[in-house]
Amino acid sequence: GEDVEQSLFLSVREGDSSVINCTYTDSSSTYLYWYKQEPGAGLQLLTYIFSNMDMKQDQRLTVLLNKKDKHLSLRIADTQTGDSAIYFCAEKGGDTGRRALTFGSGTRLQVQP
Amino acid sequence: DARVTQTPRDKVTEMGQEVTMRCQPILGHNTVFWYRQTMMQGLELLAYFRNRAPLDDSGMPKDRFSAEMPDATLATLKIQPSEPRDSAVYFCASGLVVSGTGENSEQYFGPGTRLTVT
Repeated sequence: GEDVEQSLFLSVREGDSSVINCTYTDSSSTYLYWYKQEPGAGLQLLTYIFSNMDMKQDQRLTVLLNKKDKHLSLRIADTQTGDSAIYFCAEKGGDTGRRALTFGSGTRLQVQP
Repeated sequence: DARVTQTPRDKVTEMGQEVTMRCQPILGHNTVFWYRQTMMQGLELLAYFRNRAPLDDSGMPKDRFSAEMPDATLATLKIQPSEPRDSAVYFCASGLVVSGTGENSEQYFGPGTRLTVT
């Protein structure tokens, strides 16, 4: 079945850029998403990109999509301590029989002051 | 500020007891999802409703779990009887899907119900 993979952990210093990577296997993916989960909270939708785009920028967030390599990344510029959280990558397949998103296991971002 | 709400936020119960979790989706949304999150398994989809009809509950143990939408403003997830392995955080999410190819599927998550079965 479809799979989404992420590295488990990333540590950066405050003010640096963070890059969280994700790979997926479904070549028919239509939309790809980034969610953020803070401790004790639900997942918060950060941004998403349609599969015919290769980049999307939203304030400090930049999403890059390499559809050929099935690679998605989230860059956070000027990372702050408040960005410390778990970041989930998710994809929605083009197969109309698949209704829900497939989530990765999450990348824990630790921002050191 | 439209949000998905879930009750209760925390539930501790003994093995064998019935547990009911409730979710109020964002008004106007036509899809509702139930997820379970554990350290070992990560985020697992349990059930998916669209326009109140169950479309996918393949991730849900059928013998003890049931999910319903009595109306458009309420979704319930019931476990009967509960077991210690059901201990997890259960999330509800809602979204608005417009039919057509390449439909977007943004999901807005509730705060979750932390279930502990002893």
